[in-house]
This record gives sequence, C-alpha cells and structure tokens, in this order.
Amino acid sequence: GAVVSQHPSWVICKSGTSVKIECRSLDFQATTMFWYRQFPKQSLMLMATSNEGSKATYEQGVEKDKFLINHASLTLSTLTVTSAHPEDSSFYICSAMRVAGEDNEQFFGPGTRLTVL
Amino acid sequence: AQSVSQHNHHVILSEAASLELGCNYSYGGTVNLFWYVQYPGQHLQLLLKYFSGDPLVKGIKGFEAEFIKSKFSFNLRKPSVQWSDTAEYFCAVNANTGFQKLVFGTGTRLLVSP
Repeated sequence: GAVVSQHPSWVICKSGTSVKIECRSLDFQATTMFWYRQFPKQSLMLMATSNEGSKATYEQGVEKDKFLINHASLTLSTLTVTSAHPEDSSFYICSAMRVAGEDNEQFFGPGTRLTVL
Repeated sequence: AQSVSQHNHHVILSEAASLELGCNYSYGGTVNLFWYVQYPGQHLQLLLKYFSGDPLVKGIKGFEAEFIKSKFSFNLRKPSVQWSDTAEYFCAVNANTGFQKLVFGTGTRLLVSP
C-alpha cells in the first residue's frame, strides 16, 4: 500500500516559537493533501486542504495566518504553526490522496504530537 | 453541514464474540461512507468504503458494513472478533466527492480480551 510519512513524530516548543511539520507521500504523487487536528478522545477535524502549486483551502474557523501550509511539490506538504501557544498543543495528522482512475484514496500519516510549553 | 455520530465510545468483547459498531450520519444528499481503523501506535487505515451499488460492503480482515439509507446508518460488523482487532474505529462520510473532505465520527475504542 501507499506510505505517507510525517516529520517530526513529536515536538516540544516554547510559546511564541514556530514549528514546521512535514508530510511526505513516499511512493506516489499527491496533488492533494489534507491536514487534520485531533484532540484527546475526539475525532479528527479537517483543518485545510493542501493543493500542489496553489493556495490551501482552509476550513471555517481555522486561521490561515496561524497555520501556514505549503505544498511545493507532488510529494511534500508542510504545515507551519506560527507563534505557537499552549492551546495549539494537539495531534496533527496529514493525509495524501492517491488518484488511481476513479478509485481515489486518502492515505494517512502517523501523526505529529505538538506540545507547546 | 455533515456530521457523523458513533454512539459506542468504548466496547469490550471477548474473543469470538460478534461485533457491531454503530455509525449514523446527517446529510440529505448522496454520500460516500468509510470505516477506518487505527491500531495502537499506528496510522489510520481504510477498512472498507461504500460509494454506490450493493449496500453490504466487505472490507479487509473479515469486516463488513451495511448502508441503510432510510436510517442514515453505516454500521460495521464482524462475526467473530480476535484479540488483534483491538483498535480504534472511525466512521467517516463525505458528500459524494470521492475521498475529499472527510468528516469523521468521534471513534469507538474496541478492546478484545483473549
């Protein structure tokens, strides 16, 4: 099956700093990637849709200036949490969509746990 | 807006017991439906999906789900669970746009005791 990686798997940072999370599709190209956020004991919430070569589409209530998304290549999307605060602490998960004719499928990364002190 | 409800937050079963996890969604139009599984320490994996056709869909590892349109439900079933089925299960839906913009339920944590 297709593999999606995320780096780092966990990160601890001080309040006010910025953190970059990478999402890579290792064995397929993905024009579309998605970024989700998961709070403890809650579901995955879609934050934004990342499109290669164009601006990301953010869900309602997600601050685009806070969560910067760059999808510069067909295998890499990055999420930068700018000026992070403790309330940004969460589990961030990306997925990459593999297009195979009419059978498209999202493959998920293992997630990145962000802790902001 | 679409929403997905999973009524069972925690389920504990003994091996060989039958499993049924509930999933209801709210959306008036045509939907695509999914079940994902997350084993401890691993990433989400697709168990099965329904786009159209036979409302009873079979997935990997002996799982199946039935789409009942009149009840807005897509319950997951397995006749006989194994210890290795211990995981968290997520139901997801989107508005007939393939795999894009999935809306997830809150998940059901299944513990199978040997």
